Amino acid sequence: NAGVTQTPKFRVLKTGQSMTLLCAQDMNHEYMYWYRQDPGMGLRLIHYSVGEGTTAKGEVPDGYNVSRLKKQNFLLGLESAAPSQTSVYFCASSEQGVTEAFFGQGTRLTVV
Amino acid sequence: AQSVTQPDIHITVSEGASLELRCNYSYGATPYLFWYVQSPGQGLQLLLKYFSGDTLVQGIKGFEAEFKRSQSSFNLRKPSVHWSDAAEYFCAGGGTVNDMRFGAGTRLTVKP
Repeated sequence: NAGVTQTPKFRVLKTGQSMTLLCAQDMNHEYMYWYRQDPGMGLRLIHYSVGEGTTAKGEVPDGYNVSRLKKQNFLLGLESAAPSQTSVYFCASSEQGVTEAFFGQGTRLTVV
Repeated sequence: AQSVTQPDIHITVSEGASLELRCNYSYGATPYLFWYVQSPGQGLQLLLKYFSGDTLVQGIKGFEAEFKRSQSSFNLRKPSVHWSDAAEYFCAGGGTVNDMRFGAGTRLTVKP
């Protein structure tokens, strides 16, 4: 019973490098989300998807891109990493919008 | 603008004592409200949610929360805290996927 799986769990990037975070869910959920968690700020929504082939901007989308080519996967890309993107990133999924969300274990990203 | 505020950054209670974690929201209408718990190194897990109806909501692990419209609050309570309840707790609220907001979190420490 995997639920929501994120890879990698940890990553260190140099400023200007690019990377992709992968999120996979096995619950056949329509909605998927990417959040970032920063100390003292709770979680903030970066991008989300309401179904395969769709993406939409959240609260803090700048500097990130996403793709949902398959229903079970939601990729988060950083084209040119900046120190301000140092954070813990969480992927989540839900059956519908504004219902219980199921979270992955997070990816701790450090940009130096 | 919609927001969710958790006034207490850190709370310490003795094992067996009662617990109340505060959450206030600012929203144009009655939002959907959630409480999540995050153990160290883990993703968030839903404790309970309020959509409408009975203002006292029961959740998992013996937690409950009461929605008070007049105070714009959705406080989380537990009558007797266990050591395993030590974690960080997040309140969240909103009306749509894109206006869902998380509080900054309250870290709970349980003394033996």
